[in-house]
Amino acid sequence: AQTVTQSQPEMSVQEAETVTLSCTYDTSESNYYLFWYKQPPSRQMILVIRQEAYKQQNATENRFSVNFQKAAKSFSLKISDSQLGDTAMYFCAFILSSSNTGKLIFGQGTTLQVKP
Amino acid sequence: DTGVSQDPRHKITKRGQNVTFRCDPISEHNRLYWYRQTLGQGPEFLTYFQNEAQLEKSRLLSDRFSAERPKGSFSTLEIQRTEQGDSAMYLCASSLLPGVETEAFFGQGTRLTVV
Repeated sequence: AQTVTQSQPEMSVQEAETVTLSCTYDTSESNYYLFWYKQPPSRQMILVIRQEAYKQQNATENRFSVNFQKAAKSFSLKISDSQLGDTAMYFCAFILSSSNTGKLIFGQGTTLQVKP
Repeated sequence: DTGVSQDPRHKITKRGQNVTFRCDPISEHNRLYWYRQTLGQGPEFLTYFQNEAQLEKSRLLSDRFSAERPKGSFSTLEIQRTEQGDSAMYLCASSLLPGVETEAFFGQGTRLTVV
């Protein structure tokens, strides 16, 4: 079975500080894509960052970067210079490359509160 | 195009009633998904359409659930004889072939409360 575990239900960070959200996943397949999605309160989920499992280089998108450890099946998200607008629920997810459908398998989410 | 839209945003229904939700994906997107999200949890896959064909259904989708995507455009999700356990946020997402890794765009969801 494919699973995603986010062990931090809630986190908080001061504005302008750095925070890291943890994610581990389990799959027997070697080719997949990993994602972090952000769900702000009462708004739609949006893609934050994506990582291809075959790439060793960690993905970065402005203030967002990941630490991808394939052997450990770990995919953490680092948010630098946190902003109030980063307050949201964050979901780690993956898609198997072998999938015909592209369905996402999500973790339980981490609620991040950025404090002024 | 303003993205994926879902209607209604909120629905309160009595147990045993039927409800229908609508999703309008981004116009050129040929993949369409329905997910269910309960409070404090991550979305769980329900079903997938490629154009008008429903190609995968989760075991979560009991016989009381049915989804359609006529002509490969908008989609509807119907729940018959609603139960309290059906209370959840129902999310629709769409993406573009080819490639499983293409970004999925989500709607704001329909929050269903069964009383």
